[in-house]
Amino acid sequence: SQTIHQWPATLVQPVGSPLSLECTVEGTSNPNLYWYRQAAGRGLQLLFYSVGIGQISSEVPQNLSASRPQDRQFILSSKKLLLSDSGFYLCAWSVLYGTEASYEQYFGPGTRLTVT
Amino acid sequence: QQQVKQSPQSLIVQKGGISIINCAYENTAFDYFPWYQQFPGKGPALLIAIRPDVSEKKEGRFTISFNKSAKQFSLHIMDSQPGDSATYFCAASKVSNFGNEKLTFGTGTRLTIIP
Repeated sequence: SQTIHQWPATLVQPVGSPLSLECTVEGTSNPNLYWYRQAAGRGLQLLFYSVGIGQISSEVPQNLSASRPQDRQFILSSKKLLLSDSGFYLCAWSVLYGTEASYEQYFGPGTRLTVT
Repeated sequence: QQQVKQSPQSLIVQKGGISIINCAYENTAFDYFPWYQQFPGKGPALLIAIRPDVSEKKEGRFTISFNKSAKQFSLHIMDSQPGDSATYFCAASKVSNFGNEKLTFGTGTRLTIIP
């Protein structure tokens, strides 16, 4: 069965510090990967998605970047955090079956980031 | 064009009652409509989903009703239980040429089931 991991689970970082959040998926190959941010009491905002190694699409202009160095690894980074970067960051995956895309998207446990 | 509007923002239902959450979308190209359930501090979990070729889908106590002409869909939770207390998100997507599903989420409904 497929499993998605995110770490760290919680993180408190000062303004201006760098950030690296990691997401890994087990039990599947060539997944589509996504980074979302959820502000307190709000919906989910898609930040980045990737359909393959090194292929990253950004949905919103921001202080963050994403990379996919391996097939099942997705990293969210920032060089200098802003207060507005605080939130709950969620990684998700979905998978292609042959030429047909799976519509189902599954989320990881999330990382709670507080920028102070 | 990409917006999904969800209501109500919060909902209180007595145990055993029916919880109803509504969503409306604008983009007629959307062809997949999932509902997610999220408990505090956890990631959202896929609950049930529907395609536009059917008007209703039922899984246990959870039912999605879909009205294509009105561009609306709703989640019904029958015999609501305290364990159903969570935040529910509707979403919609269209699969791109690259097979990527870019989900557009509603703003969420905080459901509380009281004894």
